[in-house]
Amino acid sequence: GQSLEQPSEVTAVEGAIVQINCTYQTSGFYGLSWYQQHDGGAPTFLSYNALDGLEETGRFSSFLSRSDSYGYLLLQELQMKDSASYFCAVRDMANNLFFGTGTRLTVIP
Amino acid sequence: DADVTQTPRNRITKTGKRIMLECSQTKGHDRMYWYRQDPGLGLQLIYYSFDVKDINKGEISDGYSVSRQAQAKFSLSLESAIPNQTALYFCATSDARTGNEQFFGPGTRLTVL
Repeated sequence: GQSLEQPSEVTAVEGAIVQINCTYQTSGFYGLSWYQQHDGGAPTFLSYNALDGLEETGRFSSFLSRSDSYGYLLLQELQMKDSASYFCAVRDMANNLFFGTGTRLTVIP
Repeated sequence: DADVTQTPRNRITKTGKRIMLECSQTKGHDRMYWYRQDPGLGLQLIYYSFDVKDINKGEISDGYSVSRQAQAKFSLSLESAIPNQTALYFCATSDARTGNEQFFGPGTRLTVL
C-alpha cells in the first residue's frame, strides 16, 4: 500500500520562503509529484521528481531523496496567491497517483 | 474552452438513487481517472482507464462503477448512493507518452441525503 505524511498547515509571510515536507512509504515507487489546489478549485500540477535531487521551476522547487523516502516543495518569494493546499503524490509504475492529505499554506502580509 | 469538463458540477440526491457523473476531454489523452476528495483530505483513486478497453479498480472502487464510452468520455456511476459517498469528485486525464502530469476537471460536488 501507499502512505504519505505531510504537515497539515503552514503559515508564512509574504515574500518569504517556505518548505513543505513529504515522507512516504510505498510499494512500487516511480516518482513524487506535487499539486496545488485553491479552495473550490481543481488540483494543478506543479512538479515531478523521478530521480534524487532538486528540480526548479520558477519560484517553486521540488526535491527528492529516494533513499530517505522523502521529498519537499520549496516556495520562494511567497505571494498572497500562493495561499492554497499543496499535495504530494506518489506515482506508481502504472502511472497512478496516491495523494497525501495535503498541507494548507496560508500566506500573511 | 476547458480541456477536461465534468457534468453536473453540483448534484444533490437521496439515498438509494442511481447517479451518473460524466467526464469529457479534448486533450486527446488515452488515460482517464476518477478520484474522490473528502473535506480536508487528499484525493483517492476510484477507477482508472488506460484506453477504451482497459478499465481498472483503484483504492476505493466499492459502490462505484465506470464506463469508458470513447477515448474522450469516462463516466462514473453510483448504483445506489449512500450518504458517505458525499464528496467532491474529480476526473483527470494524462498522456501515456509523457505521463508525469495529470490534468483535472473542475470537479462535481455530490451530496447524498
